[in-house]
Amino acid sequence: TQLLEQSPQFLSIQEGENLTVYCNSSSVFSSLQWYRQEPGEGPVLLVTVVTGGEVKKLKRLTFQFGDARKDSSLHITAAQPGDTGLYLCAGVSSGAGSYQLTFGKGTKLSVIP
Amino acid sequence: DSGVTQTPKHLITATGQRVTLRCSPRSGDLSVYWYQQSLDQGLQFLIQYYNGEERAKGNILERFSAQQFPDLHSELNLSSLELGDSALYFCASSFRDHPGNTIYFGEGSWLTVV
Repeated sequence: TQLLEQSPQFLSIQEGENLTVYCNSSSVFSSLQWYRQEPGEGPVLLVTVVTGGEVKKLKRLTFQFGDARKDSSLHITAAQPGDTGLYLCAGVSSGAGSYQLTFGKGTKLSVIP
Repeated sequence: DSGVTQTPKHLITATGQRVTLRCSPRSGDLSVYWYQQSLDQGLQFLIQYYNGEERAKGNILERFSAQQFPDLHSELNLSSLELGDSALYFCASSFRDHPGNTIYFGEGSWLTVV
């Protein structure tokens, strides 16, 4: 069974601070996705990283895929209250004509004004 | 709005009962996925259908079943409900069954078993 562990589980910071959340696995994934989920809504895809060592930027969010494609990080610069939510990483694995997402349990971020 | 519609949004039922959750995928999407989200287990993949055929199974209990109809909507049937089945059930859809296709999630159906 492939497992993804996210840390920290909870994070509460002041507006303007920087933060990093981590997603680690003992398994190799073909790619890794990050989602954000807000209360009362489903997860929304933020980014997909495919290549080991890849770095993608989405405004103030920077996503990195580890060289061995087993881990990833999400760095937020100058966090804003609108960044509050549950951040989920999901490993993508393929097989038997299908592909599946394995989700971590998430990091719940609260940004205090 | 992801374009994925789930009904009902909230449901309270007693142990031992059976419920059906319904999902309409985004227009044009052929693949439908069901996930269960609970506080202790996180988001768990249950089952996937592609153009009416079962494509992949995850951690779906034998008491649960699903199907995808010719019009591509899907239903998840939960029977002999237990307290531990209380969770948020998500339906998601994508155009095709390929990692390059974005999966879009609905808003979920909250199930409370009392």
